[in-house]
Amino acid sequence: QVSLKESGPGILQPFQTLSLTCSFSGFSLGTSNMGVGWIRQTSGKGLEYLATIWWDDDKYFNPSLNSRLTVSKDTSNNQAFLKITSVDTADTGTYYCTQRRGRGFAYWGQGTLVTVSS
Amino acid sequence: DIVMTQSPFSLAVSEGEMVTINCKSSQSLLSSGNQKNYLAWYQQKPGQSPKLLIYYASTRQSGVPDRFIGSGSGTDFTLTISDVQAEDLADYYCLQHYSSPDTFGAGTKLELK
Repeated sequence: QVSLKESGPGILQPFQTLSLTCSFSGFSLGTSNMGVGWIRQTSGKGLEYLATIWWDDDKYFNPSLNSRLTVSKDTSNNQAFLKITSVDTADTGTYYCTQRRGRGFAYWGQGTLVTVSS
Repeated sequence: DIVMTQSPFSLAVSEGEMVTINCKSSQSLLSSGNQKNYLAWYQQKPGQSPKLLIYYASTRQSGVPDRFIGSGSGTDFTLTISDVQAEDLADYYCLQHYSSPDTFGAGTKLELK
């Protein structure tokens, strides 16, 4: 049974770095063709794809945020990580991690709300 | 980026009715290699995360009721919900994952009439 859960700071100030952790079970990032995708939902842009990290450490980013994004993984501990640098109020929203497979984003975490405010 | 144009923005229905939601992509989502359309449909109920309903345009995810039907190919896709139930009231989104960056439609809100 696949399960994912995001964790993060909840609130942070403009220009800080957002660090999110995705802890998952029911699959392994050591398995071929398996990935973890990050998606956010904001009032301004709806559902927005951010990045994917694959089992072979290949990474894809949304070019609109490319320079601000970092993704990484800890395969042994079934975790994936997302960092977004220099946040502003437009980054306020709910952040999801997902199991990524050929069929798309198959399973989603419950999401974690991130608020950027001074 | 591939633009996903989803319509209508909202839909008011009665239980038992059939509804269709459309999604049009700015480029074809059909892979010439495997003849699959990289188009998925998601359902999001209030306070919940999106749930995968349909992938490869027409394949139902395990556990999804057969009243949810995906169709279409190339650039034009449809999600049909026959015999709408109260539990189907939600937001629905299409997603293309043919070309990076993956992009979503703006969503369709299904409401009770």
